[in-house]
Amino acid sequence: AQTVTQSQPEMSVQEAETVTLSCTYDTSENNYYLFWYKQPPSRQMILVIRQEAYKQQNATENRFSVNFQKAAKSFSLKISDSQLGDTAMYFCAFIFNAGNMLTFGGGTRLMVKP
Amino acid sequence: DSGVTQTPKHLITATGQRVTLRCSPRSGDLSVYWYQQSLDQGLQFLIQYYNGEERAKGNILERFSAQQFPDLHSELNLSSLELGDSALYFCASNRLDVDTQYFGPGTRLTVL
Repeated sequence: AQTVTQSQPEMSVQEAETVTLSCTYDTSENNYYLFWYKQPPSRQMILVIRQEAYKQQNATENRFSVNFQKAAKSFSLKISDSQLGDTAMYFCAFIFNAGNMLTFGGGTRLMVKP
Repeated sequence: DSGVTQTPKHLITATGQRVTLRCSPRSGDLSVYWYQQSLDQGLQFLIQYYNGEERAKGNILERFSAQQFPDLHSELNLSSLELGDSALYFCASNRLDVDTQYFGPGTRLTVL
């Protein structure tokens, strides 16, 4: 079975600083798709970034970037120049080859402090 | 705005009742997914429909059912409601299987 683990239930960071959220997973599949979603207090699920497992280059989206280590089964999210609007719950999620559904980690609550 | 709409936003009902949640996918999207977000279970996949046909099933209770109509909107029916069914129900849509899924704003269900 595929599992997704976010070991940091809560984190905080000062505005304008950098923070890294961790995610590890377990799968025997070779091809899969990785995502980070953000859930602000409004509860809307918003896509932050997407990575394909077959791509070696780490994805980047403005202030957000990932460090994808396939051998270590690790997929961390780095937020640079943190802003107050980044305060949210962050979920890593995967689409594994066996199905099309997203499998989510338990989430990390991030607080950006002024 | 993701382009996925869900109604109603909030629903309060009593145990034993039945409710219907509605989802309209983004224009052009053929797949609709339903997810449940509860405090104790986190985010869990319930069911997927693709162009009107059931495609995949997750941890969906027998009391729950869904369908996708010819206009591609989908409904999730929850019956014999229990307190533990209180949760945020999301629908998401995409065009192809491994495309990014875009989420609607969710329906918050409270069972009293």
